[in-house]
Amino acid sequence: EAGVTQFPSHSVIEKGQTVTLRCDPISGHDNLYWYRRVMGKEIKFLLHFVKESKQDESGMPNNRFLAERTGGTYSTLKVQPAELEDSGVYFCASSQTGGAGPQHFGDGTRLSIL
Amino acid sequence: QKEVEQDPGPLSVPEGAIVSLNCTYSNSAFQYFMWYRQYSRKGPELLMYTYSSGNKEDGRFTAQVDKSSKYISLFIRDSQPSDSATYLCAIVGNAGNMLTFGGGTRLMVKP
Repeated sequence: EAGVTQFPSHSVIEKGQTVTLRCDPISGHDNLYWYRRVMGKEIKFLLHFVKESKQDESGMPNNRFLAERTGGTYSTLKVQPAELEDSGVYFCASSQTGGAGPQHFGDGTRLSIL
Repeated sequence: QKEVEQDPGPLSVPEGAIVSLNCTYSNSAFQYFMWYRQYSRKGPELLMYTYSSGNKEDGRFTAQVDKSSKYISLFIRDSQPSDSATYLCAIVGNAGNMLTFGGGTRLMVKP
């Protein structure tokens, strides 16, 4: 069974540009999560999809971040325009339907804003 | 005060030692407890998942939860150099599925 896949693995862009991160969850997993780890801090929750619906987006830092999950399969996270403080590692995780089941993580996208 | 506290280490032990990793948490609503292992430049890999107080064992790993003290532990027996990684505790409350992470403890097992 393929795990959670994320790409790109690393992105370097300049402040003010736009970047789109993609996550493919484990097949059959309805729950999809985005997390972020900025330098020196713990991993923090961003948002949670159940199928194509946003269940909880309380962790999204501001309206420069837009997450979508059209069709309930893969998800994208767009940052527009990127700011220096957006640098960090963005992780995606997925879990099966229902309950607080174990979440399985991808290897993350390392985002560097110059 | 952080919701989940974890000593960042590094913790250095000789091969074969028993390792004890710990987290404390502040929110008594937390109900599900997980331990992840993370190698450099990789994502967190789920090791243990439990929702009740007491012990859960899986091979060389034992997870222990004490809800009355808001304290969780991960024990690694017969530690190996391949166990060298950062260990993250993560906790879920009953108001949603989001994980709240500790900062991670870096473990080094020396041959």
